[in-house]
Amino acid sequence: AQKVTQAQTEISVVEKEDVTLDCVYETRDTTYYLFWYKQPPSGELVFLIRRNSFDEQNEISGRYSWNFQKSTSSFNFTITASQVVDSAVYFCALSEADHSNDYKLSFGAGTTVTVRA
Amino acid sequence: NAGVTQTPKFRILKIGQSMTLQCAQDMNHNYMYWYRQDPGMGLKLIYYSVGAGITDKGEVPNGYNVSRSTTEDFPLRLELAAPSQTSVYFCASSYFDRGDDEQYFGPGTRLTVT
Repeated sequence: AQKVTQAQTEISVVEKEDVTLDCVYETRDTTYYLFWYKQPPSGELVFLIRRNSFDEQNEISGRYSWNFQKSTSSFNFTITASQVVDSAVYFCALSEADHSNDYKLSFGAGTTVTVRA
Repeated sequence: NAGVTQTPKFRILKIGQSMTLQCAQDMNHNYMYWYRQDPGMGLKLIYYSVGAGITDKGEVPNGYNVSRSTTEDFPLRLELAAPSQTSVYFCASSYFDRGDDEQYFGPGTRLTVT
């Protein structure tokens, strides 16, 4: 079963519009962590934000903000006032411990964001 | 710091050939990972290592082998390449394994098996 679902395959916006990326996760653990990574056209994944399962406080960091809701198992990510440089594939990921108590990342399929000038 | 480096960047293999994908990190990270990324899919974990001399299987280990003789290097070996191994391979590392540690990724190796 897919542990992380990103229902949006592609999103296209005009520069300065806001973009919200949806992420729904599935876990039985009470302790887990959620991440967003960005993969620009150059290919290398870059860490953006993280959240632990005990902290549902939503935050804003520059043009990035996120909405974590345990009740709906969602961890949505918003880019405010999008720029062309935000064009990339964005991955939501879930970190949870396995049988060896090692943490592993499970990635969603990604959402391709295209920002047009 | 160079971060995580991977070689080669691109490679074409014939079915049945073998090769080693190289990965090195200079951040003194204990944990290292190999992922593969297929088109339209997220990354899937192939193998990981929690330190020199210790490796373990991830979600999709079949057809691959790894070794970790030093903290810095974590090569991935493909034996008897098959078309199903056509993918982009990413190596990553992290210092801790507390669950909330970000992983640092290399630039990837694009492998085609024909």
